[in-house]
Amino acid sequence: EVQLQQSGTLLARPGASVKMSCKASGYSFTSYWMHWVKQRPGQGLEWIGAIYPGNSDTSYNQKFKGKAKLTAVTSASTAYMELSSLTNEDSAVYYCTRWDYGSSYAMDYWGQGTSVTVSS
Amino acid sequence: DIQMNQSPSSLSASLGDTITITCHASQNINVWLNWYQQKPGNIPKLLIYKASNLHTGVPSRFSGSGSGTGFTLTISSLQPEDIATYYCQQGQSYPWTFGGGTKLEIK
Repeated sequence: EVQLQQSGTLLARPGASVKMSCKASGYSFTSYWMHWVKQRPGQGLEWIGAIYPGNSDTSYNQKFKGKAKLTAVTSASTAYMELSSLTNEDSAVYYCTRWDYGSSYAMDYWGQGTSVTVSS
Repeated sequence: DIQMNQSPSSLSASLGDTITITCHASQNINVWLNWYQQKPGNIPKLLIYKASNLHTGVPSRFSGSGSGTGFTLTISSLQPEDIATYYCQQGQSYPWTFGGGTKLEIK
């Protein structure tokens, strides 16, 4: 069974950085792109970027370049996203989601989300 | 960036009704259009991929159609468990973009 287990709630000060994780299981971690999606309270979905753990290739939404950094540790089947220079606008739930390349070409499995609150 | 315009932004319908949500892309995205359902307090879930294909386990009352720039999601025989916000998403080119969402309520 495919599962994406995300790390817990984060509380951070403005200007700080946070790093969250997404541990994958039930499939070959290195063979699927992992995408990250942002959802602010009461708002819609916003695509941040993606990483291919097989070779650490990344693609970012221009809006999040310099804000988000995506990495992956294949030995741990875990993807990470670090957010830097936090502001109130970064308070949101962040989802990792697997992209099913080769079948649906859609984000078929989602983590439970990591809530980030930025507050002084 | 490809803009995805979704309408309506909210919709109230009765149980048993058939409803349609539309999504318009600012440029040709062929059939690279996916629909997601997000129930209150829950994570998004894939409903329909490549415009018209039902994801595993999705009830057959859901259907999708369209290609190019215009797409629709239809829910027939509306059920209480269909209360959710629905999002379209284009996978034609980066950055992937979502529609603004349609919040479905039951009358």
